[in-house]
Formats: sequence, structure tokens, C-alpha cells
Amino acid sequence: SSELTQDPAVSVALGQTVRITCQGDSLRIYYASWYQQKPGQAPVLVIYGKNNRPSGIPDRFSGSSSGNTASLTITGAQAEDEADYYCNSRDSSGSHVIFGGGTKLTVL
Amino acid sequence: QVQLVESGGGVVQPGGSLRLSCAASGFTFTTYGIHWVRQAPGKGLEWVAFIQYDGSNKYYADSVKGRFTISRDNSKNTLYLQMNSLRAEDTAVYYCAKGLGSSWYWFDYWGQGTLVTVSS
Repeated sequence: SSELTQDPAVSVALGQTVRITCQGDSLRIYYASWYQQKPGQAPVLVIYGKNNRPSGIPDRFSGSSSGNTASLTITGAQAEDEADYYCNSRDSSGSHVIFGGGTKLTVL
Repeated sequence: QVQLVESGGGVVQPGGSLRLSCAASGFTFTTYGIHWVRQAPGKGLEWVAFIQYDGSNKYYADSVKGRFTISRDNSKNTLYLQMNSLRAEDTAVYYCAKGLGSSWYWFDYWGQGTLVTVSS
């Protein structure tokens, strides 16, 4: 399969925990990465691989994976976390890169 | 600090051509694969193409294969995207993005993007 599926929108109360999921057959083979994109800005890598955070990304962001599902968890969501979040990986053929459709996170 | 700066976007008629450039600095350009990723207005991210560090392998999305060509000049630390036979659905912000080492399909740095508008 060459698709990654995300929920279009998720909301979380300020300070609470939210999980954003990404499903796809290729995730049984390859790990995903996660990107945060705010309006008018380029995407920023927040999680890659099993659960790796680039320098400068707060430790409230974490990742996990099980079967065909990858998850991004924000523990103690902040107002500045309101953004679109995209997952990405390789497709099953290995030579194409795929993105999920994105999840719009609203922090209430 | 890693910098990726795209240029070359603009308005072009359907069927026309455009060449995008991406100037890289702050890392050893010759050792990393680089991608083009696009985002249509109000839509999600779409991977376009990838070129390996030495140009030996190139991969394309089915939507652009045969129309777009990715290339690089390692002597100039610059990535290119030649876009031919442009269609309205190619209208998007085009980003160049650095591959994350051996996990080439993840992107650790992105440029700010250049807007391509295909319209008559």
C-alpha cells in the first residue's frame, strides 16, 4: 500500500495529553517521522524513527509505533503546539516517499 | 547552521516550463540526498522527487514522472527541479528538504519554499 491515513482534526485542552495517529501498511516495515507545520511556515521535524527528537524539540513530544500504526504524543499540550501535523515514511516498494494527509491540532 | 534557499518560482501558463533552484549551505552537501516536496494551496504535503548524494539514483512521484527532472550540481551546492508540461494541478509551494542520512526518506531541514502558479 502507498497510503498513510491520519485523522483530519484533533483537539486537546491546554495542558492535557493528545495522541495523533498515522496508519499504513508500510509502517509494518518502516518507521515514520512527524512534522509540525504552522500557517505560512515550512514544516519542522519533531520526531523521527522509533522515538527520536531533533535538537530543540521539547520533550513533551514523543513517538511510538505498533503494527501498522505510528503515533505522536504531546504530553501537556501548549498553545504553541496548535498546528498541522504530518507523518511520513516510505511506501512498500521502497522507492517512493509518502505523507499522511495531515492532522489539524487545536489546543482549547 | 543548515540553510536551504529555494528560488525560481513564478507564474507560468499551462504547458509551460520552469526551473527551480535550491541553494544549500551549512552542511556537507555532497554527502546527503535531497528532496523536493510540494504543497498546493490549503492542502497537505506531497513528495515530488529525490536525488541521492552523488546523483546516481533519482526517484519521482507518479504524478510528475516523465515531466519533472531533479538534478544537482555538487560543485555549486545547488539542487534543481526542471518542470515541463506544467498543469494547473502543479500549482503549489515547492520546498527543498534535506534527507536524514541513511534514512533518506525523512527530512531534517526544509527551505522556506517557492511558489509556482500554473495559470493562463
